[in-house]
Amino acid sequence: KAGVTQTPRYLIKTRGQQVTLSCSPISGHRSVSWYQQTPGQGLQFLFEYFSETQRNKGNFPGRFSGRQFSNSRSEMNVSTLELGDSALYLCASSTDSMNTGELFFGEGSRLTVL
Amino acid sequence: GIQVEQSPPDLILQEGANSTLRCNFSDSVNNLQWFHQNPWGQLINLFYIPSGTKQNGRLSATTVATERYSLLYISSSQTTDSGVYFCAGVSRGSYKLIFGSGTRLLVRP
Repeated sequence: KAGVTQTPRYLIKTRGQQVTLSCSPISGHRSVSWYQQTPGQGLQFLFEYFSETQRNKGNFPGRFSGRQFSNSRSEMNVSTLELGDSALYLCASSTDSMNTGELFFGEGSRLTVL
Repeated sequence: GIQVEQSPPDLILQEGANSTLRCNFSDSVNNLQWFHQNPWGQLINLFYIPSGTKQNGRLSATTVATERYSLLYISSSQTTDSGVYFCAGVSRGSYKLIFGSGTRLLVRP
């Protein structure tokens, strides 16, 4: 079956703009979680969505938001982009909850902010 | 918050050598997993191993949950094993997935 799909794979934005990233989970998976990876901070948890509800949130400012649709696809949005938002954004899906199930990751969306 | 320590941070091996990577948690975690990050950034699942021992080809992993550590064994290493290996677990207190800082492995031909 198809894996986790993230789009776009690469994108370049300028400071102050906003960006929306998409994640389609494995069919049948209900949980989608998002992560930011930077050289300085490593891999950090952003948030988790389950059945269209945000269940957990990491320590990121309110500029980072997300949502989940009824088909379990998820989007994350970053508004008023800053240079420090340049990162690899990864999403993962699991059958039930990231707390109880194995996670499967997509290939990531690499964001560059100029 | 919970701390995840991976060792060693960097490892260089000659092809064919064996290695052991370690992951220590400062507190109990659920859902311990090992990943290999490929050159394009994708995290590839290696093991889902909250406890016990599992083997998959040349790779095996052991988690001793009561002592809060996990080990990843790579035998007869190949150049394609190069990359960064991460362990991660969900903190029981905060229900957030916490990653270690990774072990960067280079296998030379």
